[in-house]
Amino acid sequence: DSGVTQTPKHLITATGQRVTLRCSPRSGDLSVYWYQQSLDQGLQFLIQYYNGEERAKGNILERFSAQQFPDLHSELNLSSLELGDSALYFCASSVDAGLPYEQYFGPGTRLTVT
Amino acid sequence: AQSVTQLDSQVPVFEEAPVELRCNYSSSVSVYLFWYVQYPNQGLQLLLKYLSGSTLVESINGFEAEFNKSQTSFHLRKPSVHISDTAEYFCAVLNTGGFKTIFGAGTRLFVKA
Repeated sequence: DSGVTQTPKHLITATGQRVTLRCSPRSGDLSVYWYQQSLDQGLQFLIQYYNGEERAKGNILERFSAQQFPDLHSELNLSSLELGDSALYFCASSVDAGLPYEQYFGPGTRLTVT
Repeated sequence: AQSVTQLDSQVPVFEEAPVELRCNYSSSVSVYLFWYVQYPNQGLQLLLKYLSGSTLVESINGFEAEFNKSQTSFHLRKPSVHISDTAEYFCAVLNTGGFKTIFGAGTRLFVKA
């Protein structure tokens, strides 16, 4: 158990819908990262937040957005969903109190868009 | 910009045989290097990391990796694999002073009895 929690574990929804994925980092970790893992694209970095502010952006679509709240939990919002958005979405956290830091991954949310 | 190439998408090997999973990276600055492992239906876990100092780093379960700066490689090795090592292995690179860790495409290690 990494100490990172993600909800829900599984999500099935239809095209065009909007969903919210939630992540709670390990106690004391200030950074949260979101990744998308699919068979054809592999593990793709989406976005990183540090102490409530966006720090780095990866291959995140405009239909996707994220935020980190004052209690450090984070949410990833996916809208206008397409079949190709079906994937495993991982959240990771790190202390980020001085480099280098390792990331601790949550168990993931499996999103299926039908 | 940095990048990571894992040269093998799948590596089948028999139990107790040695294995090497290859990783090459590209970066214009100094880097930190990581290997993560993902067991079926789980998230990624850090296996080992190179930060500085000795170029040979080891994990608690018998894996080792060697940082080779001239060849820009960080190959992962184990002298004798177990069935329980079946998993996907990801090589990752982080520029020193950077924030974005870049992951390779992953290598699926399949250990056969």
